[in-house]
Amino acid sequence: QVQLQESGPGLVEPSQTLSLTCTVSGGSVSSGAYSWTLIRQRPGKGLEWIGSILYSGDTYHNPSLSSRITMSVDTSDNQFSLMLASVTAADTAVYLCARGNYGAYVAFDIWGQGTKVTVSS
Amino acid sequence: EIVLTQSPGTLSLSPGERATLSCRASQTVSGSYLAWYQQKPGQAPRLLIYSTSSRATGIPDRFSGSGSGTDFTLNISRLEPEDFALYYCQHFDNSPPGFTFGPGTKVAIK
Repeated sequence: QVQLQESGPGLVEPSQTLSLTCTVSGGSVSSGAYSWTLIRQRPGKGLEWIGSILYSGDTYHNPSLSSRITMSVDTSDNQFSLMLASVTAADTAVYLCARGNYGAYVAFDIWGQGTKVTVSS
Repeated sequence: EIVLTQSPGTLSLSPGERATLSCRASQTVSGSYLAWYQQKPGQAPRLLIYSTSSRATGIPDRFSGSGSGTDFTLNISRLEPEDFALYYCQHFDNSPPGFTFGPGTKVAIK
């Protein structure tokens, strides 16, 4: 059974870069049948798509965050990662990994449990 | 940019009643890329419906989706206690590629 596990810093200082990694177990990040996505949920708010990456390394990002986002995929470690630069308090959120399934029209069929990130000095 | 609006914001119902949740897009969208998720407090979302009306693996048949164009609906035929939760609709746009979520509808116990 495929599982996603987020790992993040917990606390990041303003203006610094948030680095977060999603580890895929029970499946392969190299599969062309899926995309790999980061989504966040600010406190008491809804879901916000951050960006997605394919096994090839091709990425697409939320335009509102695009200038601050770098995503990468590591096929040897079966992981994908997010770097979000110049963070502010508005980036405080639970960050979730999700798998987009092309067999389900890219719907997110597998999710991680999420990792809480607080931006504060 | 496509904006998804969900209504009502909160739906107060009793177990056994039927729930009808609406998702409206700011412009015509492809129903192939319209999905619904359920989220309970402290949990990650769970995929219920994809491609407007296809149930995801393991989803009970009391959940059904319909719609086209700009108007989409999630129906829960008879609410079970475990169905009281938040529900989000979501759309994927191919050009440029990107995902949008609606703000959510809370189904609350009356």
